[in-house]
Amino acid sequence: GQQLNQSPQSMFIQEGEDVSMNCTSSSIFNTWLWYKQDPGEGPVLLIALYKAGELTSNGRLTAQFGITRKDSFLNISASIPSDVGIYFCAGRSGTGTASKLTFGTGTRLQVTL
Amino acid sequence: SQTIHQWPATLVQPVGSPLSLECTVEGTSNPNLYWYRQAAGRGLQLLFYSVGIGQISSEVPQNLSASRPQDRQFILSSKKLLLSDSGFYLCAWGHSGANVLTFGAGSRLTVL
Repeated sequence: GQQLNQSPQSMFIQEGEDVSMNCTSSSIFNTWLWYKQDPGEGPVLLIALYKAGELTSNGRLTAQFGITRKDSFLNISASIPSDVGIYFCAGRSGTGTASKLTFGTGTRLQVTL
Repeated sequence: SQTIHQWPATLVQPVGSPLSLECTVEGTSNPNLYWYRQAAGRGLQLLFYSVGIGQISSEVPQNLSASRPQDRQFILSSKKLLLSDSGFYLCAWGHSGANVLTFGAGSRLTVL
């Protein structure tokens, strides 16, 4: 089946630093999504990417859909304490009425003051 | 606006006992509904999805089952829980044909 390799697995950074994480796939996706999960909560959508090469920003977050359609990255600029959490990439291949997403294993972000 | 509710939020059950987790969506009609499981330190694994009442697709063989008795209600069940069923269960919904899923707050199940 499809697999998403997400890296790094965890990051410890200082407040104000920039963060970069990425996902690579063994197969092509036609949609990439980035979610954030706070402890004990469900994931919340941050950014959705629909076209190869697309670069999208949401405040301090920027994500790109790789040209090969097999990868995506997420950057966070000027990190703040509330950025703490687990970040998941998710991809969708194929079409159909059901959105069967494949999720990465997550990047756990810790921000120190 | 649409909202999704899951309950119970936490559950501790003995091995061999039954399970019922419920999920309801408000503010939309005919949503696609999904059950995911998140094991500790791991990503999300799709368990079941439904594109309509009574229509259930299973993604992985397991000890669990799902049902959709009403348009906006999705239930995850088990007749006899195993230790390996412990985890964080997430319900999600999406519009038919759309790529984005919206997740509930999750239900943490501990099987002892």
